[in-house]
Amino acid sequence: AQSVAQPEDQVNVAEGNPLTVKCTYSVSGNPYLFWYVQYPNRGLQFLLKYITGDNLVKGSYGFEAEFNKSQTSFHLKKPSALVSDSALYFCAVRDYRNTGTASKLTFGTGTRLQVTL
Amino acid sequence: KAGVTQTPRYLIKTRGQQVTLSCSPISGHRSVSWYQQTPGQGLQFLFEYFSETQRNKGNFPGRFSGRQFSNSRSEMNVSTLELGDSALYLCASSSGAGANVLTFGAGSRLTVL
Repeated sequence: AQSVAQPEDQVNVAEGNPLTVKCTYSVSGNPYLFWYVQYPNRGLQFLLKYITGDNLVKGSYGFEAEFNKSQTSFHLKKPSALVSDSALYFCAVRDYRNTGTASKLTFGTGTRLQVTL
Repeated sequence: KAGVTQTPRYLIKTRGQQVTLSCSPISGHRSVSWYQQTPGQGLQFLFEYFSETQRNKGNFPGRFSGRQFSNSRSEMNVSTLELGDSALYLCASSSGAGANVLTFGAGSRLTVL
């Protein structure tokens, strides 16, 4: 079975400061990892994904994430936070071996990011 | 190109009733997945359809069902509604293979009274 943990319910950061949203995962094989963001009353928007290759993945809106296989982590980062980044962030995982369930994602519980002036 | 369209966006039902939600995927996408989002349980996978066949199913009771049509549009149905079915129901479409990215609709918010 695959699982995702987001240990922080909320992360608070001042605008202009770097931000990190933590994610750890568990899969039997090699993971496909994703980050999504959700704004109020909206669906989820894709930010970035890791499949293979470079451990540092760059995504939309200046976000990036670092894949660490030994720590089974995929933390989301941004060098300089904006107030408009305030939203709910979800990490998700898929085991690439599950070709029969190719589109099923397992999500973490979400981390609310609050960026203040 | 048009995104994933879910209808209706909001609806209110009473216990015991049934509800049907609709999802139109991105053109060319053959996979449609459904997720339930609640404050307590987070995002839970309901089922996935690919080329009109249910490819995977989550741990939900049989009251939750779905189908996909030949044009890839999908519907999900919840019968005998319970208060606990109140949630945001999200539909996502994708090409259905490999490390494909799910594109989500805005969701249908169901309130059961």
